[in-house]
Amino acid sequence: NAGVMQNPRHLVRRRGQEARLRCSPMKGHSHVYWYRQLPEEGLKFMVYLQKENIIDESGMPKERFSAEFPKEGPSILRIQQVVRGDSAAYFCASSPIQNTEAFFGQGTRLTVV
Amino acid sequence: KNQVEQSPQSLIILEGKNCTLQCNYTVSPFSNLRWYKQDTGRGPVSLTIMTFSENTKSNGRYTATLDADTKQSSLHITASQLSDSASYICVVTESGGSYIPTFGRGTSLIVHP
Repeated sequence: NAGVMQNPRHLVRRRGQEARLRCSPMKGHSHVYWYRQLPEEGLKFMVYLQKENIIDESGMPKERFSAEFPKEGPSILRIQQVVRGDSAAYFCASSPIQNTEAFFGQGTRLTVV
Repeated sequence: KNQVEQSPQSLIILEGKNCTLQCNYTVSPFSNLRWYKQDTGRGPVSLTIMTFSENTKSNGRYTATLDADTKQSSLHITASQLSDSASYICVVTESGGSYIPTFGRGTSLIVHP
């Protein structure tokens, strides 16, 4: 059973481009969480999704950021018109049911140049 | 506002020595508290999880304690090894609602030979 898979591991985008980050949860896990970690900072919650539903997006910026977890395929975190301040490590975690241990992926490191 | 405060921010110890990391939280109502280890450039990995009724949990050389009355937890590492060098993150989950966890900023531990 593979762990949580995130790709790409590293992503470089120019200012104004779109960034798409993918997360494939562990097999049997239907709950996905996205976190952002700025350099020298702790992880900050962004969004919590179940299959085809956004449960809590209270940590996600209102503009330029969106997330989805379709019935088939990975969860996607999309950042439109990226700015330098979006440079960070983005982690995805999954769990089988709510409020159980969440397993983290290795993260995607986004660099905006 | 739910908060998780960790101390010290960073810690340097010699290989073989013991150390204790602290976590204070204001999350309420309380569901559970987890300690994660995050190696540089990697995703966090769970070490221990404790619910309200548990006041100690061990995982090898790691022992976590919880005082739900004072809202404090500690992580004790015995006989430290070079591989213990990492960031240790305290995560507290609120009960009810969408069970979104609150992350501390972590304690950066460096073990020197």
